[in-house]
Amino acid sequence: DAKTTQPPSMDCAEGRAANLPCNHSTISGNEYVYWYRQIHSQGPQYIIHGLKNNETNEMASLIITEDRKSSTLILPHATLRDTAVYYCIVHAGGTSYGKLTFGQGTILTVHP
Amino acid sequence: DGGITQSPKYLFRKEGQNVTLSCEQNLNHDAMYWYRQDPGQGLRLIYYSQIVNDFQKGDIAEGYSVSREKKESFPLTVTSAQKNPTAFYLCASSIAGGGTTDTQYFGPGTRLTVL
Repeated sequence: DAKTTQPPSMDCAEGRAANLPCNHSTISGNEYVYWYRQIHSQGPQYIIHGLKNNETNEMASLIITEDRKSSTLILPHATLRDTAVYYCIVHAGGTSYGKLTFGQGTILTVHP
Repeated sequence: DGGITQSPKYLFRKEGQNVTLSCEQNLNHDAMYWYRQDPGQGLRLIYYSQIVNDFQKGDIAEGYSVSREKKESFPLTVTSAQKNPTAFYLCASSIAGGGTTDTQYFGPGTRLTVL
């Protein structure tokens, strides 16, 4: 699975949009971009994933650049409960299927 | 409600004792996984199972054992051979092992402390 690079930490004001970037310059054509988040002492929570098109669900939007070398997770109206570590993961099946490679992630702190 | 349950949330054991962590899912998923997380670290794969009665070692299987006798259950035993067992253990499941759109869903985790 390709490696990802994320900023170690970010701040956001409550009610504002949180934009979390991720670089994955070595991503392969069959690898998807996944985003999870983990609140302290809880299991990771799936947020969204995509291949090449932008995706939106009830939690967030995922914007993937045309060359697929980077992406941005957008939380449109951040709340205090969105404070967590956010992980960007690229993942493909095949012989390495199953294993999600979590890096250090981005610690997002939402302020009142 | 469908989901993944892990029990107990906190577990304390004396050094040298084996301990079994429970993981149950009612999502009708074929694949199940066990990860370990240490403070400030990412997740590392211990074992995974694509289907009942079959499982494979992950990156750090030494000192651990698993069984998959039922689709819903994937218990993990931390044996006395595991040199540093104190960690946060996470169980996950997915519809089918493999595939580029196979999303894994995680349980709440069990924090094991060996005294």
